[in-house]
Amino acid sequence: GAGVSQSPSNKVTEKGKDVELRCDPISGHTALYWYRQSLGQGLEFLIYFQGNSAPDKSGLPSDRFSAERTGGSVSTLTIQRTQQEDSAVYLCASSLEAGGLPYEQYFGPGTRLTVT
Amino acid sequence: GDSVTQMEGPVTLSEEAFLTINCTYTATGYPSLFWYVQYPGEGLQLLLKATKADDKGSNKGFEATYRKETTSFHLEKGSVQVSDSAVYFCALSDFSGTASKLTFGTGTRLQVTL
Repeated sequence: GAGVSQSPSNKVTEKGKDVELRCDPISGHTALYWYRQSLGQGLEFLIYFQGNSAPDKSGLPSDRFSAERTGGSVSTLTIQRTQQEDSAVYLCASSLEAGGLPYEQYFGPGTRLTVT
Repeated sequence: GDSVTQMEGPVTLSEEAFLTINCTYTATGYPSLFWYVQYPGEGLQLLLKATKADDKGSNKGFEATYRKETTSFHLEKGSVQVSDSAVYFCALSDFSGTASKLTFGTGTRLQVTL
């Protein structure tokens, strides 16, 4: 079946502009995660959605970052007023999740964001 | 908070050499442990996992044993191949709360030469 897809694959934007990154998880996966991979910080957790529960936003680096998940499926990560330090690869992952068991997280190919 | 420490890279080995990549962790609860691999130009994929102490995860000739007493999850392979060249990430997921987020190490780049 189809894996996790992300769009766009590459995004170049000017400092100060807003960007939206999209993630389509694997059908039937109730949990969805956003991570960021950057040279300075490695791989870091941003936000987590599980079913209808309130999202865990504890990893968002600033209030310029927000995310939503519509209909329990597609998710959009929005970065407002982008800064050069936002340049990174943004990864989305999804998993089956029930009762906190460690189901495998399947990662998408990522969106490479470059802020000029 | 939770953290994962893994050995710095890059690691350069000749084909058929023995591989060890060290990984240690700090967690407040009872974490599950993972090794993820990122091949050149590809996305992250799960290599192996272990969910409780003394479990051994294995896949594609790679192994790692969950050692609670030393808080370690070292990755080993008896004979590496050129196709194993990739970046390897150790990670944990702590289910003491409701979140299942992964905490990653910094990654270790492996280069295998003929």
